[in-house]
Amino acid sequence: KAGVTQTPRYLIKTRGQQVTLSCSPISGHRSVSWYQQTPGQGLQFLFEYFSETQRNKGNFPGRFSGRQFSNSRSEMNVSTLELGDSALYLCASSLEGRYNEQFFGPGTRLTVL
Amino acid sequence: GIQVEQSPPDLILQEGANSTLRCNFSDSVNNLQWFHQNPWGQLINLFYIPSGTKQNGRLSATTVATERYSLLYISSSQTTDSGVYFCAVPPAGNNRKLIWGLGTSLAVNP
Repeated sequence: KAGVTQTPRYLIKTRGQQVTLSCSPISGHRSVSWYQQTPGQGLQFLFEYFSETQRNKGNFPGRFSGRQFSNSRSEMNVSTLELGDSALYLCASSLEGRYNEQFFGPGTRLTVL
Repeated sequence: GIQVEQSPPDLILQEGANSTLRCNFSDSVNNLQWFHQNPWGQLINLFYIPSGTKQNGRLSATTVATERYSLLYISSSQTTDSGVYFCAVPPAGNNRKLIWGLGTSLAVNP
């Protein structure tokens, strides 16, 4: 069974631009979560989607948004990029259920210049 | 909210040595995951272990939920074990997101 895939793997943008990252979950997984990893803050939860609905949201500004499609694929968007948005963005998928073990993709490394 | 603390923050081993990594959490949890992040950033699932003990090859993990800690044991370490080890738990009443420790950075020297 194929794992979680994320595209692109690397991105370089300049301040003020916007960016869209994509995540395809493991087949059959309907929950997709996004995390931001930075050296200073570690891994921080961004949001979680299930059945095209955002169910959970972390403490990030409104510039960070996401969506999920009917095939469970998810995208996250960051508008008006800031230098501090440079990070590794990780996507995780899980089966809906009591135990909810999460499986991660390889990440998208975003650099904002 | 729930706090997750990992120790030690850094660890250097010679190949073949054993080690124990610790994860403390401040509230009761109904699951806990251990991950290994390789130098390329990929998070690899090691254990899903809300309680009890599990073993997978040279790695094993024990979670004592009542005392709010988990241990990850690495035996006969190899250079490929290098990387950062994270534990992560969901906050109470919400098993759909994970709260992370800051990790233990492990370097195994040949």
